[in-house]
Amino acid sequence: NAGVMQNPRHLVRRRGQEARLRCSPMKGHSHVYWYRQLPEEGLKFMVYLQKENIIDESGMPKERFSAEFPKEGPSILRIQQVVRGDSAAYFCASSETTGELFFGEGSRLTVL
Amino acid sequence: AQSVTQPDIHITVSEGASLELRCNYSYGATPYLFWYVQSPGQGLQLLLKYFSGDTLVQGIKGFEAEFKRSQSSFNLRKPSVHWSDAAEYFCAVGRGNAGNMLTFGGGTRLMVKP
Repeated sequence: NAGVMQNPRHLVRRRGQEARLRCSPMKGHSHVYWYRQLPEEGLKFMVYLQKENIIDESGMPKERFSAEFPKEGPSILRIQQVVRGDSAAYFCASSETTGELFFGEGSRLTVL
Repeated sequence: AQSVTQPDIHITVSEGASLELRCNYSYGATPYLFWYVQSPGQGLQLLLKYFSGDTLVQGIKGFEAEFKRSQSSFNLRKPSVHWSDAAEYFCAVGRGNAGNMLTFGGGTRLMVKP
């Protein structure tokens, strides 16, 4: 029974490139959440999605960031034109309709 | 808006000693409260949660936490710490119908001395 799967685990990009982070929720989970953890800080909520719908994106930066959770396939967090300040660990979590969030091991983005 | 404060950034305890990690929250309604543990380079694992009912909550790995509404606190405790407990601990408050929208505190890094 696989948990929440995130890939890549590590991603290096140069300033101005695009970063795509993928998240496959646990089997049977239809809710996905993305969090960002800056160095030496706690996790900050970014976006909450259900299949084909964005439920809450109050934590998403207004520009360059987008997220989707299509009917088929993983959820994608996309960061366009990355800057050094985007360097962080990005965590995905999933849940059933209600209840506990299960977290993936994170994707660590480094922007050179 | 909800917020969570973990006043202690670092704590060091000796193996076998007792542990208490502090957490204070701000939330307008009855909170959903959580403690998570994060080992280096890993994701978060849920230790315990409070939704309602008994204010003393038992979790995994011998941890417990007590919800005190009057103090807006949800402190994590363990009577005897093991070296494997060294990690970062996050308190969180949840909003939404099922408390699934989490706001995390800044974390407390626990170090365990032999």
